[in-house]
This record gives sequence, C-alpha cells and structure tokens, in this order.
Amino acid sequence: GQQVKQSSPSLTVQEGGISILNCDYENDMFDYFAWYKKYPDNSPTLLISVRSNVDKREDGRLTVFLNKSGKHFSLHITASQPEDTAVYLCAEANTGKLTFGHGTILRVHP
Amino acid sequence: EAAVTQSPRNKVTVTGGNVTLSCRQTNSHNYMYWYRQDTGHGLRLIHYSYGAGNLQIGDVPDGYKATRTTQEDFFLLLELASPSQTSLYFCASSGLGGSQNTLYFGAGTRLSVL
Repeated sequence: GQQVKQSSPSLTVQEGGISILNCDYENDMFDYFAWYKKYPDNSPTLLISVRSNVDKREDGRLTVFLNKSGKHFSLHITASQPEDTAVYLCAEANTGKLTFGHGTILRVHP
Repeated sequence: EAAVTQSPRNKVTVTGGNVTLSCRQTNSHNYMYWYRQDTGHGLRLIHYSYGAGNLQIGDVPDGYKATRTTQEDFFLLLELASPSQTSLYFCASSGLGGSQNTLYFGAGTRLSVL
C-alpha cells in the first residue's frame, strides 16, 4: 500500500491567502518529515523538515505541523505568492530511506 | 551547495535496448539514490546505496540494476528496456548523521523507450 499519501492532487489559492498542504502516513517508525518543492522541468529541493520529537516548526512564511497520533503532517504557507506555484512533495524517512508522496500542485492566482 | 550531475539529460531507446544512466556527486556524500518520477505517482525509489560497492533495493526495482563503483559514481542499468520505463529519472545524494535525510537532486534524465 501507499505509505505516504497526499490526498489532494491540486490546490488553488488566491494571492495573499494561506495555502495548506496535507500529508498522511502509515509507518509509525518514520522519524523524519520533510516538504520538497519542485518547479516544472526542475529537480526537487528541500523546503523545510522536522524530526519526530517536534510538533511544529516555523520558518518565515512556512509552518509545518506534525500530528503523530493522527499520522498527519501539514505545511502552511502564509501570504501565498504566485511564485509559490509549484508541486509540493511530502516525504518521510526512517533509517535513511526517504519515501515521497505523489505530490500536490499548488497554484497561486494573482 | 551539493553538486549532483546526471548524464545523459535525454535518452531515446527502443524496446529491448540497453541503457545506462550515470550519476556523479562531488560532495563526499555516502548515500546515493535513483528515483523515477511519473504523473500520478510522484517520486518512487528504485535503488539506493550506502557507499561504494553497496546496493539496496528500493520500492520499484523490477527491470533495473544499479552499481555504485566509487563513492562519487552511481549507475542505473536497464538491460532490456520496456515502454513502461519511459520516465523522468532523478539521482540524489545525502550525507551522514543529521544531514542524512536531506537529499540533493540532480537535474534529471528524461528517458523514452519506443
């Protein structure tokens, strides 16, 4: 089965709004959680990550929330901008092997 | 910034063909990975390696072989290419310890199997 699931294949947000990207996982052993960003025809790059001993982490406009009991991991982007338009991939890991979700296409309209 | 270089950037072959995709990283990373990216599937791990001579099986290994000849070089081999292997292939590397899970990706190789 799919260990890491992004249930929304796409999301559209108005400029200035909050983008909320969600990820669900199955494996209790995951101890590392990350969001990668990918533009078309480019390679993925790391946006933000947390270890399993952290419930929340903020970095500028980005905030990640980790709900271990619910096996849920989310990324909130405040003051969304058109340049945030990209594919966002959640990823989880244990013992070095990173497993990615299918990705959510975020479109931020001016 | 970690440097991961893939070659070729584009490749076209026929069904049954033999293809080798190359990846080199110049940051002394121990871990290297091969992923494929397909619409509706995201990134799927094919093979990975902890170091020279080591090979680990990923989530979608069927039809692929890999070899890590040095710490810098990781190759993906398709000995009998099939149209289902048409995809965008990414190589990635990562370091040890706390940085182990931060992957640095190459630019990708687009493979078409006709």
